[in-house]
Amino acid sequence: EAGVVQSPRYKIIEKKQPVAFWCNPISGHNTLYWYRQNLGQGPELLIRYENEEAVDDSQLPKDRFSAERLKGVDSTLKIQPAELGDSAVYLCASRRSTGRPNTIYFGEGSWLTVV
Amino acid sequence: SQQGEEDPQALSIQEGENATMNCSYKTSINNLQWYRQNSGRGLVHLILIRSNEREKHSGRLRVTLDTSKKSSSLLITASRAADTASYFCATEETSGSRLTFGEGTQLTVNP
Repeated sequence: EAGVVQSPRYKIIEKKQPVAFWCNPISGHNTLYWYRQNLGQGPELLIRYENEEAVDDSQLPKDRFSAERLKGVDSTLKIQPAELGDSAVYLCASRRSTGRPNTIYFGEGSWLTVV
Repeated sequence: SQQGEEDPQALSIQEGENATMNCSYKTSINNLQWYRQNSGRGLVHLILIRSNEREKHSGRLRVTLDTSKKSSSLLITASRAADTASYFCATEETSGSRLTFGEGTQLTVNP
């Protein structure tokens, strides 16, 4: 079974530029998470989807961040415009939403550097 | 916002020794999970303990949970150099499916 796939793995952009990250969860996993992890810290939740519905986006900075999961499978996280403080690892994760508690599987992350 | 706080922040031991990491949290939880992260990689799930459980074992891992003290510990026995990584606790709150992570413990196992 393929794991959670994220791309790109690494991205370097200048501040004020846009950037997008893509995530393909494990097949059959209804719940999808986007986390941000700053260096030396634990991941912080940005948004959680149940199928195509964003059910927890209270920590998503909506002025510059947006996310979508149009068909309830793949998801995209966008930052526009990027700021220096957005440099971090963006982690996507997924799990089955039935028969909880279920293991959450993480992708390898997308490493963003804003210069 | 961070729910869990790990202690210590960093731990350095010799191969073969045991490593103990502690986690404290603030709210009521459904379960508590421990994850491992190697440098530059994603998080890997290690073990989950439910709020009605007090202890759980998986191979060389032993997790305890004390809901009255809102704390958990992860014990890795007979450590190996390959155990070198960051370890995070994460709590799943009773109010929903949000999984909230602590700051992590950086474990270094010296050969």
